[in-house]
Amino acid sequence: GAVVSQHPSRVICKSGTSVKIECRSLDFQATTMFWYRQFPKQSLMLMATSNEGSKATYEQGVEKDKFLINHASLTLSTLTVTSAHPEDSSFYICSARDPGLAKGGTSDTQYFGPGTRLTVL
Amino acid sequence: GEDVEQSLFLSVREGDSSVINCTYTDSSSTYLYWYKQEPGAGLQLLTYIFSNMDMKQDQRLTVLLNKKDKHLSLRIADTQTGDSAIYFCAEKRDTGGFKTIFGAGTRLFVKA
Repeated sequence: GAVVSQHPSRVICKSGTSVKIECRSLDFQATTMFWYRQFPKQSLMLMATSNEGSKATYEQGVEKDKFLINHASLTLSTLTVTSAHPEDSSFYICSARDPGLAKGGTSDTQYFGPGTRLTVL
Repeated sequence: GEDVEQSLFLSVREGDSSVINCTYTDSSSTYLYWYKQEPGAGLQLLTYIFSNMDMKQDQRLTVLLNKKDKHLSLRIADTQTGDSAIYFCAEKRDTGGFKTIFGAGTRLFVKA
């Protein structure tokens, strides 16, 4: 299957600072990437859909000024958590949609990154 | 994941078969997926099934789809301790855009 990486895998920051998380598709071009948030023992909550070259589409209840998304190229999307607070502590996972026919998947399959554990002190 | 439901926990003995069930509500779903998540990691695509299929087998994995009842299951044959993880059912909805809805995940615990 296709490979998606995230960086960093783990980050600890002080309250009030901003944190940037990168999501890269390593062996395919992703016109669409997704950002999810996962609370302990819960499912993934879609935060936003990131489209290359255009503004991200945010889900209801997600503050776009708080969670800045930039999809600058076909292989990179970034999520910046601005003025982070302890309640932003969570596991953030990105995924990328492979528009082509990826091995082991379908043309609409999402491939997930390994996740980023954010802890805000 | 309020429209995709899964039982939260399943415990089996090593060597037995595991069956994880999922129900969904949207009849327009085109693809249904099973993902595996190990502790502290992202989601790994295990298998998928197109909505016009009723069964798919891939080595130890068998997916059954009952489209009439909107019921999806994942059977893992000869379950191993390494299969212990959370398994997410997901559906892709054809709503004019691409949106994947996930269930809450079933935690599979394999006893040696």
